[in-house]
Amino acid sequence: GAGVSQSPSNKVTEKGKDVELRCDPISGHTALYWYRQSLGQGLEFLIYFQGNSAPDKSGLPSDRFSAERTGGSVSTLTIQRTQQEDSAVYLCASSRQGQGGQPQHFGDGTRLSIL
Amino acid sequence: LAKTTQPISMDSYEGQEVNITCSHNNIATNDYITWYQQFPSQGPRFIIQGYKTKVTNEVASLFIPADRKSSTLSLPRVSLSDTAVYYCLVGDRGTGGFKTIFGAGTRLFVKA
Repeated sequence: GAGVSQSPSNKVTEKGKDVELRCDPISGHTALYWYRQSLGQGLEFLIYFQGNSAPDKSGLPSDRFSAERTGGSVSTLTIQRTQQEDSAVYLCASSRQGQGGQPQHFGDGTRLSIL
Repeated sequence: LAKTTQPISMDSYEGQEVNITCSHNNIATNDYITWYQQFPSQGPRFIIQGYKTKVTNEVASLFIPADRKSSTLSLPRVSLSDTAVYYCLVGDRGTGGFKTIFGAGTRLFVKA
């Protein structure tokens, strides 16, 4: 079946511009995560959506970052007034809700470059 | 959230068994241990998950001692294509998805 889809795969923009990154999770998965990965580093947790609950935004690095998830499916991560330090790969993952929980399934990310 | 510690890198040769150990001294009662594999320009991919003792699937084995303060991922007879970064995570599986902290992972280099 289809996996997690992210778009665009690459994004180059100028400092100060706003960007929107999109994630289409696996159908039926109610949990959705956003991570950021800088070159050669591990993944940095950003935000987590679980069903209709309020999202866990504790990982967002500043108020320039926001995310929403419409209809419990597609999610958009928005970065306003981008800075060069925002350059990274942004990864989205989804998992199935269940009593035992499920491992996360990742997309291949959006590579964001701020000039 | 439990913090994990792994070796930064490991080298191996094709056909050898590779064991990567992860320390998680403050693992909580509800925490499961999950391992992911990541290739360049790709998102991480789930390998194996366990709670205690030993878990085996078609790809790897996971050994967890009784105190659960560490775990070992075992990759049998590695090939060049197993060269990747391997992440160990602990988290509460019961919430239907858990906020996780990925460390820097272990970079495995498999040589011919």
